[in-house]
Amino acid sequence: RKEVEQDPGPFNVPEGATVAFNCTYSNSASQSFFWYRQDCRKEPKLLMSVYSSGNEDGRFTAQLNRASQYISLLIRDSKLSDSATYLCVVTPEAGNNRKLIWGLGTSLAVNP
Amino acid sequence: EPEVTQTPSHQVTQMGQEVILRCVPISNHLYFYWYRQILGQKVEFLVSFYNNEISEKSEIFDDQFSVERPDGSNFTLKIRSTKLEDSAMYFCASSGELALADTQYFGPGTRLTVL
Repeated sequence: RKEVEQDPGPFNVPEGATVAFNCTYSNSASQSFFWYRQDCRKEPKLLMSVYSSGNEDGRFTAQLNRASQYISLLIRDSKLSDSATYLCVVTPEAGNNRKLIWGLGTSLAVNP
Repeated sequence: EPEVTQTPSHQVTQMGQEVILRCVPISNHLYFYWYRQILGQKVEFLVSFYNNEISEKSEIFDDQFSVERPDGSNFTLKIRSTKLEDSAMYFCASSGELALADTQYFGPGTRLTVL
């Protein structure tokens, strides 16, 4: 089983749509979870950390289900500028928050 | 806003040559990292560095790789004898005080092409 698994997409949605991305991770000891965004041939940029209680940042909502080892990202009212690859990232174990383990990413294209 | 910088943006080299990739982390950060991303593949952890020594490295980071912080600002990745499969985007990252150490800030990357 891959350490972090994501549906690669691509997701093609119209502007204004709501889109959800899912991610599963294999290591039950993982402690920290993130969503990064990566534009084509650019560096990853932190979109948001994911907390156990779930968290929201504007149009973006992240959820974590530790029992199912599942993380989600919901984007509401999608904009053209949301077109990017969304990377699910975890840290491998308690006490090791230095090494980030990455999913392959889910590609999103928001169309006018 | 402070940012991580990397040079060069693109490096082309012949197989077997040594390359040095340079990074300037955010100035008050304590932890430094190198990651790589082969085209079309996931980002992969190479090494983390703290207090002037390697704190963790992956199986990719073999004897051909080394890191150094030669002065107070630069953080370098050296590949001694490049192979074709070293062609990738190399990202440097840094993170700060212990409480915020989870947040890693990435540089724009160096695209390494080995011919």
